[in-house]
Amino acid sequence: GAVVSQHPSWVICKSGTSVKIECRSLDFQATTMFWYRQFPKQSLMLMATSNEGSKATYEQGVEKDKFLINHASLTLSTLTVTSAHPEDSSFYICSARGGAGEDGANVLTFGAGSRLTVL
Amino acid sequence: TQLLEQSPQFLSIQEGENLTVYCNSSSVFSSLQWYRQEPGEGPVLLVTVVTGGEVKKLKRLTFQFGDARKDSSLHITAAQPGDTGLYLCAGAQGAQKLVFGQGTRLTINP
Repeated sequence: GAVVSQHPSWVICKSGTSVKIECRSLDFQATTMFWYRQFPKQSLMLMATSNEGSKATYEQGVEKDKFLINHASLTLSTLTVTSAHPEDSSFYICSARGGAGEDGANVLTFGAGSRLTVL
Repeated sequence: TQLLEQSPQFLSIQEGENLTVYCNSSSVFSSLQWYRQEPGEGPVLLVTVVTGGEVKKLKRLTFQFGDARKDSSLHITAAQPGDTGLYLCAGAQGAQKLVFGQGTRLTINP
């Protein structure tokens, strides 16, 4: 089945630094990837849609200059949290559309997530 | 943004009991998916329902999509401790993004 690899799985950084998280589709090409943020004991909140070769589409309230997304190839999307602050600490999850499901439905495969802690 | 209301948000029951989780919206979705998420991991797809009124079974789990494709339910029969986890419903908005419900944190006590 489709596999999405996310790296790093956890990262600790100092306030003011930037952190890059990678999302790779290992055995399929993904023209579209999605980035989510999840706070403890809460659901996933869509941050942005990453489109290969074009600019990402950000959800309302998500700062595009704060969360830089690059989707330079069909198998890799990156999320860079710039000038990170403690309130950016969260669980970030990516997903990629890996083809149609058994009923032709939209099927996403999720990465294992990246836990960011900003000190 | 289409909203999905998931209930209950927390549920703690004894092993062997049955339970139902609901996912409701005022909007129509092209498909609806149920995921299960373990702590520190990404969601794992359980099932996708596409047709209004559709019922799918996965061992002790029964998933139903409402006739109008606005709501869905997940029923677990004879719950086991291994069923403990965060269950998420997600509605598809066309061919693109998914909208997630708030999640149901299920705890099955031995």
